[in-house]
Amino acid sequence: EDKVVQSPLSLVVHEGDTVTLNCSYEVTNFRSLLWYKQEKKAPTFLFMLTSSGIEKKSGRLSSILDKKELFSILNITATQTGDSAVYLCAVYYNYGQNFVFGPGTRLSVLP
Amino acid sequence: EAQVTQNPRYLITVTGKKLTVTCSQNMNHEYMSWYRQDPGLGLRQIYYSMNVEVTDKGDVPEGYKVSRKEKRNFPLILESPSPNQTSLYFCASSFDLRGEAFFGQGTRLTVV
Repeated sequence: EDKVVQSPLSLVVHEGDTVTLNCSYEVTNFRSLLWYKQEKKAPTFLFMLTSSGIEKKSGRLSSILDKKELFSILNITATQTGDSAVYLCAVYYNYGQNFVFGPGTRLSVLP
Repeated sequence: EAQVTQNPRYLITVTGKKLTVTCSQNMNHEYMSWYRQDPGLGLRQIYYSMNVEVTDKGDVPEGYKVSRKEKRNFPLILESPSPNQTSLYFCASSFDLRGEAFFGQGTRLTVV
């Protein structure tokens, strides 16, 4: 069965810490992997990854994909309280007509 | 401003009373989807549409209908809502099925 697994499911850190969020997947005909941040309501887009080994970076956030080992990581350096959110991983597969979201990682950053 | 607009934001209804949640996007996207989000289950796709008059089932389509008569609109219809359809619903649109999706602000539906 196609699936996406995220770990940890919940994480509490202090401001200034660096965190690594994990997303592993088992799907057929992988097309892309996306990371979203969900604060109060609507998820907002962070990164889209399609190729292995190419790091995507935006400020303190970065992400990379390993298509051989079937996982992606999302790194956040120098965390701030505003980074507190649920981080969602989603994988598109089967020529883009199927996708699945992981359960999310709830990150809490304490002052 | 590029956006996806859902209405209503909150809705409490009774079992069996038909309802429609509207979704509209102003980005001229071909692809639109509906999701429901439940605690512990994450986001699950209900239906998606690849263009006008082209719709298909997602992972949890039972009890829902959709239509795509215009490119910008993709309403979600619950013909006979039941309590197990109490959930947070999101509409999303994207230029490419495998790419970035823009989400609406969500509709919190409670069926009693």
